[in-house]
Amino acid sequence: EPEVTQTPSHQVTQMGQEVILRCVPISNHLYFYWYRQILGQKVEFLVSFYNNEISEKSEIFDDQFSVERPDGSNFTLKIRSTKLEDSAMYFCASSETPSLTGELFFGEGSRLTVL
Amino acid sequence: AQTVTQSQPEMSVQEAETVTLSCTYDTSENNYYLFWYKQPPSRQMILVIRQEAYKQQNATENRFSVNFQKAAKSFSLKISDSQLGDTAMYFCAFIPQRAGTYKYIFGTGTRLKVLA
Repeated sequence: EPEVTQTPSHQVTQMGQEVILRCVPISNHLYFYWYRQILGQKVEFLVSFYNNEISEKSEIFDDQFSVERPDGSNFTLKIRSTKLEDSAMYFCASSETPSLTGELFFGEGSRLTVL
Repeated sequence: AQTVTQSQPEMSVQEAETVTLSCTYDTSENNYYLFWYKQPPSRQMILVIRQEAYKQQNATENRFSVNFQKAAKSFSLKISDSQLGDTAMYFCAFIPQRAGTYKYIFGTGTRLKVLA
């Protein structure tokens, strides 16, 4: 069964370093998302991406974050200069139809630890 | 602001028993979708069940059913005949049925442990 895959599963980085989290969405899906969950808190929406551009983003998704789909299969989240509060589980998701009706398919998550 | 609240951080249930997980939400939207997602340990979130707000009939999927009370903005999940494999985090989620909206809103989750 097709699934969303994420790498790395866990990354430890120093504050101020750049981090790239990678995702391979399900191949026939058109909509891609990043969510994050700080330990013990809500799963929070970061950004959605469709037709090679951001379709919606949250207030969390500030200038230090960026997303791209460099090669038609990978979908990446870049954090330019990590802060301690960026420590969280980051989930990639994809969907076949707009989220109005469709199911989100999630990856297993990438745990980011910023020291 | 739209919010989803899960007031039970942790629950446990004996195998074969029934358990109900609570979820309330706040929105001014009239049309929306509600979801329960399950996240087993070290695995991805998967959809358990979905409810369209315009449907009065409660959704069911095998052992999983919901009690959707639109006026009360309540959306609880009932798991019947609990199995060890039901041990997981359960997230309630909401999305308005509105063009141009892509943002699911999640609760904090309920950790369910099924005991042998």
